[in-house]
Amino acid sequence: GAVVSQHPSRVICKSGTSVKIECRSLDFQATTMFWYRQFPKQSLMLMATSNEGSKATYEQGVEKDKFLINHASLTLSTLTVTSAHPEDSSFYICSATGVLAGVTNEQFFGPGTRLTVL
Amino acid sequence: AQRVTQPEKLLSVFKGAPVELKCNYSYSGSPELFWYVQYSRQRLQLLLRHISRESIKGFTADLNKGETSFHLKKPFAQEEDSAMYYCALSGSYNTDKLIFGTGTRLQVFP
Repeated sequence: GAVVSQHPSRVICKSGTSVKIECRSLDFQATTMFWYRQFPKQSLMLMATSNEGSKATYEQGVEKDKFLINHASLTLSTLTVTSAHPEDSSFYICSATGVLAGVTNEQFFGPGTRLTVL
Repeated sequence: AQRVTQPEKLLSVFKGAPVELKCNYSYSGSPELFWYVQYSRQRLQLLLRHISRESIKGFTADLNKGETSFHLKKPFAQEEDSAMYYCALSGSYNTDKLIFGTGTRLQVFP
């Protein structure tokens, strides 16, 4: 099956700093990547949809200047949390869909990144 | 409005008992329905989707368009089925986003 990795798996940073999270599709070309946020014991909330080579589409209520998404290649998308604050602490998960998924739109999920802002 | 509802946060059963995790949806059009599972300390993974009509790990789910439901069933629960289960829907295009329900935690006791 398709494999999606995320790096780092865990990050702790000080308030006001920026943090970059990488999402990679290891064995397929990801034409579309999705970024989710998951609060403890809650569901996944879609933040944005990222298509390779174009600007990300953000969901309502998600600040695009706060959460910068770049999808520069078919195997890599990055999420940068700018000027992070404690309320940004969360579990961030990416998923990818693409050629390997064939005619279906199956999303393959990364393991997630736990961000803690002090 | 597009929405997925999972009314139960927690479902506890004993090993060997039947399981039904409920999912109802609201969508204008013809959605695709999925069940995702997240085992402890593991990533989210696809369990099954309605278009494949498969039985995975003994689980089945039938799309009922009249009741707008996609309940997940298993006749005999196993301890290893304990996990978080999410129902989700998507449009029919490759780039369509998934809308997740709030999830149901299944606990299977020995």
